[in-house]
Amino acid sequence: GNSVTQMEGPVTLSEEAFLTINCTYTATGYPSLFWYVQYPGEGLQLLLKATKADDKGSNKGFEATYRKETTSFHLEKGSVQVSDSAVYFCALSDEYSGAGSYQLTFGKGTKLSVIP
Amino acid sequence: DGGITQSPKYLFRKEGQNVTLSCEQNLNHDAMYWYRQDPGQGLRLIYYSQIVNDFQKGDIAEGYSVSREKKESFPLTVTSAQKNPTAFYLCASTRGGQGRNSPLHFGNGTRLTVT
Repeated sequence: GNSVTQMEGPVTLSEEAFLTINCTYTATGYPSLFWYVQYPGEGLQLLLKATKADDKGSNKGFEATYRKETTSFHLEKGSVQVSDSAVYFCALSDEYSGAGSYQLTFGKGTKLSVIP
Repeated sequence: DGGITQSPKYLFRKEGQNVTLSCEQNLNHDAMYWYRQDPGQGLRLIYYSQIVNDFQKGDIAEGYSVSREKKESFPLTVTSAQKNPTAFYLCASTRGGQGRNSPLHFGNGTRLTVT
């Protein structure tokens, strides 16, 4: 079956530090890959996505590259801000669930805290 | 603006009572999902529905029930058979027919506490 493994948190960084959150996956087909972010007390929001090998997704200064050879989709940001404090989820879409929709498989999430 | 509305934000119930969580979307999405979120466990799929009047069990459906009488609405009932119902519940939707690239849109969740 499909699975997503994220680095365990929590991760605590100082403002303007470099961020990497590792994500590796196992999939039987050719998945699309996503990063979602969850701010305290809220639902998840799509942060970025990549749909095929070597694609780079980017948004709000965050980037992730779809690496098929290493089955990875690591999230990076060059300079984090206090407002980036949240839980980050890596996910893949590969399992067909009917009527043109695919199920997402999520990692367990990585909590990021950025301190001033 | 279109979106997904979950209500209420906080819900408290006594053990042994059934409780229904509301989820309404005005995105005209075909597919809707219910997830449960527990600390350190990520998101686990409870039920999903691709079209009106049809739904399927997810990974942890025991103790839960759903209905899909309207495209816009997908309420979740947590029954007294659910052994550990206290959790954060998230509703999501996506447009069908978009393939594997279609992202999920989430509501802001309902935090259920059963004592």
